[in-house]
Amino acid sequence: EVQLVESGGGLVQPGGSLRLSCAASGFTFSTYWMHWVRQAPGKGLVWVSRINSDGISTRYADSVKGRFTISRDNAKNTLYLEMNSLRVEDTAVYYCGRGSSGYSLGSWGQGTLVSVSS
Amino acid sequence: QTVVTQEPSFSVSPGGTVTLTCGLSSGSVSTSYYPSWYQQTPGQAPRTLIYSTNTRSSGVPDRFSGSILGNKAALTITGAQADDESDYYCVLYMDSGIWVFGGGTKLTVL
Repeated sequence: EVQLVESGGGLVQPGGSLRLSCAASGFTFSTYWMHWVRQAPGKGLVWVSRINSDGISTRYADSVKGRFTISRDNAKNTLYLEMNSLRVEDTAVYYCGRGSSGYSLGSWGQGTLVSVSS
Repeated sequence: QTVVTQEPSFSVSPGGTVTLTCGLSSGSVSTSYYPSWYQQTPGQAPRTLIYSTNTRSSGVPDRFSGSILGNKAALTITGAQADDESDYYCVLYMDSGIWVFGGGTKLTVL
């Protein structure tokens, strides 16, 4: 069974940093693209970033480009999102997702909440 | 800035059929955007319904179907059930290599 478990969320002040992790199990992690998607309270889903299977290629939404860095450790079956210069508008539940057929997201974690507030 | 558009809300009667759409602020949606659809109930993670325009994800009932209708991607629910009451999101894969979600459609079954 595919499992994705996010961790690392919490309360941080504006301008601060946080690193999210997503522990993967139940599939061969090193062969899948992985994504981060976020959802602000009461709002819709927003795609944040994607990394390819070997970690060489990454893409970001304009809203986080230059502030967030996606990475992975295939030996540890773990996906990361390093978030710097956090803003109030970055407050959201952050989901990790496994890439799947047809450029879709096939499996999702339960999310971790990031709150940016002074 | 590309905007993916969805109806904010829709209502359907139990047993009825409803079609939700996914468009672009500029241009037409085609299969080249690999439209996919996700269902989300409050407090839960999204669930993948449809990918590559019209392929159902594993375990998804065949009352859910995807297509291109005119210049938009579409999700049709045939024989709506009470537990179909959810938020539905489409996402398009852009040729710049990024994904853009629509704003979501809140579906009410009543």
